[in-house]
Amino acid sequence: EAQVTQNPRYLITVTGKKLTVTCSQNMNHEYMSWYRQDPGLGLRQIYYSMNVEVTDKGDVPEGYKVSRKEKRNFPLILESPSPNQTSLYFCASAGKEYYEQYFGPGTRLTVT
Amino acid sequence: AQRVTQPEKLLSVFKGAPVELKCNYSYSGSPELFWYVQYSRQRLQLLLRHISRESIKGFTADLNKGETSFHLKKPFAQEEDSAMYYCALRNDMRFGAGTRLTVKP
Repeated sequence: EAQVTQNPRYLITVTGKKLTVTCSQNMNHEYMSWYRQDPGLGLRQIYYSMNVEVTDKGDVPEGYKVSRKEKRNFPLILESPSPNQTSLYFCASAGKEYYEQYFGPGTRLTVT
Repeated sequence: AQRVTQPEKLLSVFKGAPVELKCNYSYSGSPELFWYVQYSRQRLQLLLRHISRESIKGFTADLNKGETSFHLKKPFAQEEDSAMYYCALRNDMRFGAGTRLTVKP
C-alpha cells in the first residue's frame, strides 16, 4: 500500500532533550516536506526536500533540522526542543510533477 | 510574497444548505491551486485541483484570476462534509490557515 509513515505518533518530552521524528514513503517520490499544524495558523512548512541531499527552509525552520540521505526517508530533528514547538507535525511527499502531496498520519508533540 | 488566505476559520451550515469556503491567493505567476480536506481522525488528502475542473463529492472550485480567488462550493451540504478544509498553492506548496466546516443536522 502506497503511504507515508511517521514515528512516533505521540511524543511527550522535556525542554532541551533532543528528539527525532521519522518519516518514510514507499512511493519513490522526489519531493518530501514537513509541516506543523497549529490552531488558527493552519499548515506551515518547516523544511522541504526536492531530492536526495537537497533540502531547503520553509516558512518556520528555526529550531529544526532535516536530512535527506535516502529518497524514502526525511527525518525531522529537534536538537533542543522548546515548549513553543508543541504542535502537530505532518510529513508529506509528492512525485516529480508535485501535483498531489500525500500526507502522513501526523505526530503530536508536547514539550514541557 | 506568495500567500494563500482563507478568511473564515469556522463555518457552520445546516444540512442541505449551500456552502462556500473562501480562498484568495497572491501569486505573481500562473497559479495552480488545490483544495485539501482533513476529516476527523484521518489524514489530510487532496480534494480537488483547479486544472482538472472536476467535481469531487459534489464540491467544485473555479479559479477566478480577476478576483484572485479559488472558492470551494457545494450546493447541498451533507453532515459527512464536516471537516477541516485547506486551500493550497501548488507553485510553492503553501497552505492557507484552514476553515473548519461544520454541517449541522
